[in-house]
Amino acid sequence: GENVEQHPSTLSVQEGDSAVIKCTYSDSASNYFPWYKQELGKGPQLIIDIRSNVGEKKDQRIAVTLNKTAKHFSLHITETQPEDSAVYFCAASGGIASGGYQKVTFGTGTKLQVIP
Amino acid sequence: GAVVSQHPSWVICKSGTSVKIECRSLDFQATTMFWYRQFPKQSLMLMATSNEGSKATYEQGVEKDKFLINHASLTLSTLTVTSAHPEDSSFYICSATRLGGAFGYTFGSGTRLTVV
Repeated sequence: GENVEQHPSTLSVQEGDSAVIKCTYSDSASNYFPWYKQELGKGPQLIIDIRSNVGEKKDQRIAVTLNKTAKHFSLHITETQPEDSAVYFCAASGGIASGGYQKVTFGTGTKLQVIP
Repeated sequence: GAVVSQHPSWVICKSGTSVKIECRSLDFQATTMFWYRQFPKQSLMLMATSNEGSKATYEQGVEKDKFLINHASLTLSTLTVTSAHPEDSSFYICSATRLGGAFGYTFGSGTRLTVV
């Protein structure tokens, strides 16, 4: 099955600096890579996702890059703000298989702290 | 956008009783729903996957007779924790998708179960 590794487990940055979280996956068949933000006591919220036919995607201060050859993908948050503080999870899935469904495998999470 | 409602958000029950958690897709038809369990400071662990109208598929190590899953309609899945024990205390989260995950996966807000 799929195995997703995520680093670092904790990350502290000064407000305004950038934060980078990296993930690797093992199953070359995975083709959908979402990133989730989870605040304490809440369910994960999708913040950005990327599909395997794209190498990079950006949405305002958030960007994700994907290297299919190396099987790794990264989340980049620029101009961090205190409200960005949360736990971030990467995930991998064969989510666009036609007809059937694929499981989403989560990374171990990164606790991001943005220091004002 | 896709919205998944999970109820209740928290529940306290006595040991030996059963608890039902509901997961509803509010504005789309969820062909597949997933149930996760999350312990403090840990990642989400998939418990089972259910497709509407068919039996759920449980992950290895998850007792299907203890964690009963019903996906009777395209908008509702329920997880019943039977004969709950303190070790079942956890954060349970559902996720829903449609058409093989082509539209991504939307998570509910989670249910904090405490068994006393």
